[in-house]
Amino acid sequence: EPEVTQTPSHQVTQMGQEVILRCVPISNHLYFYWYRQILGQKVEFLVSFYNNEISEKSEIFDDQFSVERPDGSNFTLKIRSTKLEDSAMYFCASSEAMDRETLHFGNGTRLTVT
Amino acid sequence: AQSVTQLGSHVSVSEGALVLLRCNYSSSVPPYLFWYVQYPNQGLQLLLKYTTGATLVKGINGFEAEFKKSETSFHLTKPSAHMSDAAEYFCAVSGGSGGSYIPTFGRGTSLIVHP
Repeated sequence: EPEVTQTPSHQVTQMGQEVILRCVPISNHLYFYWYRQILGQKVEFLVSFYNNEISEKSEIFDDQFSVERPDGSNFTLKIRSTKLEDSAMYFCASSEAMDRETLHFGNGTRLTVT
Repeated sequence: AQSVTQLGSHVSVSEGALVLLRCNYSSSVPPYLFWYVQYPNQGLQLLLKYTTGATLVKGINGFEAEFKKSETSFHLTKPSAHMSDAAEYFCAVSGGSGGSYIPTFGRGTSLIVHP
């Protein structure tokens, strides 16, 4: 069964550094998402991406964040200058055109900012 | 705006006992409702979803949930718990055809199954 893959599984970075989280969505999916989960808290929506542009974003997704689909397979989340409070599990998800409400998630990248 | 509330951050049951995980939603439009499961070190996996039609929805691994509009609830049940059911369970709501299709998740409920 096709799946969403995320790399790396764990990323440690120092405060103020830039970090890029990578995702390969399911190949025939057209909608892409990033969510995050701070330890012990709920899974929070960050951004959705369709047709090479951001379609929705939450108030969490400020100027420090950006997303990109640099080629036909990858979908990336960049955090420009990481803060301690960015430490979380980041999930990438994708969905298909005929069932866009059903998200298929990757295993996540655990980001630790020190 | 849409939101879900999951009652109880932890639920503990014995193997073979009934599982009941509670979820109440808030939505200004007819909702789509979902339950996802997260096993350790894995991503969220869809268990079941309600969009329209039959209010009792059956999912994978013997789980089912019933949409009750009058109670704004979508509780998840399984008649007999198995050790392998131990995981984190997330309820989610989206706005269906009338609102944002992007799911909003609850805080999750950790299901603990005792032998």
